[in-house]
Amino acid sequence: DGGITQSPKYLFRKEGQNVTLSCEQNLNHDAMYWYRQDPGQGLRLIYYSQIVNDFQKGDIAEGYSVSREKKESFPLTVTSAQKNPTAFYLCASAGSIYSYEQYFGPGTRLTVT
Amino acid sequence: ELKVEQNPLFLSMQEGKNYTIYCNYSTTSDRLYWYRQDPGKSLESLFVLLSNGAVKQEGRLMASLDTKARLSTLHITAAVHDLSATYFCASNGRGSQGNLIFGKGTKLSVKP
Repeated sequence: DGGITQSPKYLFRKEGQNVTLSCEQNLNHDAMYWYRQDPGQGLRLIYYSQIVNDFQKGDIAEGYSVSREKKESFPLTVTSAQKNPTAFYLCASAGSIYSYEQYFGPGTRLTVT
Repeated sequence: ELKVEQNPLFLSMQEGKNYTIYCNYSTTSDRLYWYRQDPGKSLESLFVLLSNGAVKQEGRLMASLDTKARLSTLHITAAVHDLSATYFCASNGRGSQGNLIFGKGTKLSVKP
């Protein structure tokens, strides 16, 4: 089955801890994206990557970091510098940044207390 | 800077009725997307509109795009309960390298 997987589905952390969210795709897509969704809001772009070993900041990158060492993987680290980390995080991929479709993973709900 | 605005943000409908959700965007854009999200779930792609006058239909949903007015509409015909969800429009903005800007979403509730 081709698709995007995110793990875990639910994640709980204490304030001050870094946490890494996983995103894997087997669609052979070049472009990958991380979005954040807060209750009652649309999605906001955190980081995106057009190709392996390259990534760019989105609109709300502060307090987050990413890596793209493999084509199929784009993990997101939520650092202790992120002031309001509790949110629903969605990963997406596309054939390229010029592709018409972005395919979304199932999401990870992060709660920080 | 591209901004995307949807209205209404909340919509309560009776089954069998018709209604339209509006999506305005502030700058020239290459593409307009409509997504559906069920509570606690990811986004499901509904439509991608690529050119002025584009119209796409799937079941009881029909989306259209007017690039001159910078407006897209999602029309619901004879609503049924299964259409209850949150609907998002998104646009990429010309030359934005595929990054999507989302509206805040329209939460649709269809009541019997």
